[in-house]
Amino acid sequence: SYELTQPPSVSVSPGQTASITCSGDKLGDKYACWYQQKPGQSPVLVIYQDNKRPSGIPERFSGSNSGNTATLTISGTQAMDEADYYCQAWDSFVVFGGGTKLTVL
Amino acid sequence: QITLKESGPTLVKPTQTLTLTCTFSGFSLSTSGVGVGWIRQPPGKALEWLAVIYWNDDKRYSPSLKSRLTITKDTSKNQVVLTMTNMDPVDTATYYCAHNGPSRFDPWGQGTLVTVSS
Repeated sequence: SYELTQPPSVSVSPGQTASITCSGDKLGDKYACWYQQKPGQSPVLVIYQDNKRPSGIPERFSGSNSGNTATLTISGTQAMDEADYYCQAWDSFVVFGGGTKLTVL
Repeated sequence: QITLKESGPTLVKPTQTLTLTCTFSGFSLSTSGVGVGWIRQPPGKALEWLAVIYWNDDKRYSPSLKSRLTITKDTSKNQVVLTMTNMDPVDTATYYCAHNGPSRFDPWGQGTLVTVSS
């Protein structure tokens, strides 16, 4: 079965750039999206179709997807961006990554 | 504005069947391309996709849970129902439903915590 692999944790200083990766076989041939989940809240879509931002999502969130890796980039990271982030793609079925805890310190 | 809300029991016993209802507004499940999916999240763990149903009644299930899941829709009531048989304590999780647009789930419902315990 298809799997998506994320690092368990990423740390970043406020104002710096955070990059969270998501790896899967030929992931670049599929659309990837990213969700942000804060404690006690439902996931929120922050990137879809590799690099598109839903309305209301700040411009500091961007995405890319090529080869075997999709990347979520947060530029000028703010304390409010501290959350769990999940990648998701469609193979024959829906697949989620294991999630990455982003710590802003 | 699209909204979804999950409803169902908060506590089920092992071996019982769980029935969850997703009631939504702001879109129609008779519109081409639209779907509603179910995703769960055990406490402190990652998201796990369960099933999705589309406007044309096409249904897809997680391969690992397919034998236990059934998803149906009632377009007139704006509802999607998920049933999961033979519940086990490892199925304790928050269950979410979400609007399924092209290649994404957005938005999600608030989720409902289901505990499996005798």
